Amino acid sequence: KAGVTQTPRYLIKTRGQQVTLSCSPISGHRSVSWYQQTPGQGLQFLFEYFSETQRNKGNFPGRFSGRQFSNSRSEMNVSTLELGDSALYLCASREAYEQYFGPGTRLTVT
Amino acid sequence: AQSVSQHNHHVILSEAASLELGCNYSYGGTVNLFWYVQYPGQHLQLLLKYFSGDPLVKGIKGFEAEFIKSKFSFNLRKPSVQWSDTAEYFCAVNDNNNDMRFGAGTRLTVKP
Repeated sequence: KAGVTQTPRYLIKTRGQQVTLSCSPISGHRSVSWYQQTPGQGLQFLFEYFSETQRNKGNFPGRFSGRQFSNSRSEMNVSTLELGDSALYLCASREAYEQYFGPGTRLTVT
Repeated sequence: AQSVSQHNHHVILSEAASLELGCNYSYGGTVNLFWYVQYPGQHLQLLLKYFSGDPLVKGIKGFEAEFIKSKFSFNLRKPSVQWSDTAEYFCAVNDNNNDMRFGAGTRLTVKP
């Protein structure tokens, strides 16, 4: 099976702009989770989607949102970007407890 | 909500030294425990996992971890590290709400 894919891999945006990141899970996996990874903070959980419904949500402001489509592909959106949003955004899919991670999207906000 | 603590932020060892990375979690119920590794420039990948049964679990590349319920700990060990073990290691806990939480990570540098 193909692994989790994320697009784009790298992105540079300006403060105040918005961005949409995409994640395609492993075939058959219905759960997709998003994480923000920054040095020293580890992986901060953003949200999890299962069968097009948000199942869990982390402690991030409302500028961070997501959705999942019927084919389990997921997108996350960040509006009104801030410098502190610069990070590696990871997507993970699973069918049971074990998560499989994608390569991430490196977002730089200038 | 549960939390996961990894107390060592950066560990530096020489090759052949023994490794133990600490992981503690706060959730009191049934948990599933994981260690993930992120080699430089690569995806996060699963090193080992504990769901139930023998509290000493063995993973890939000679790593093992011991679940001590009374201490809410799941420490990662390796008897003899290699230069290729240089990576960042993340402990993760998943509770019965399917809520997955990661620690801040421990960066391991192995000197040849």
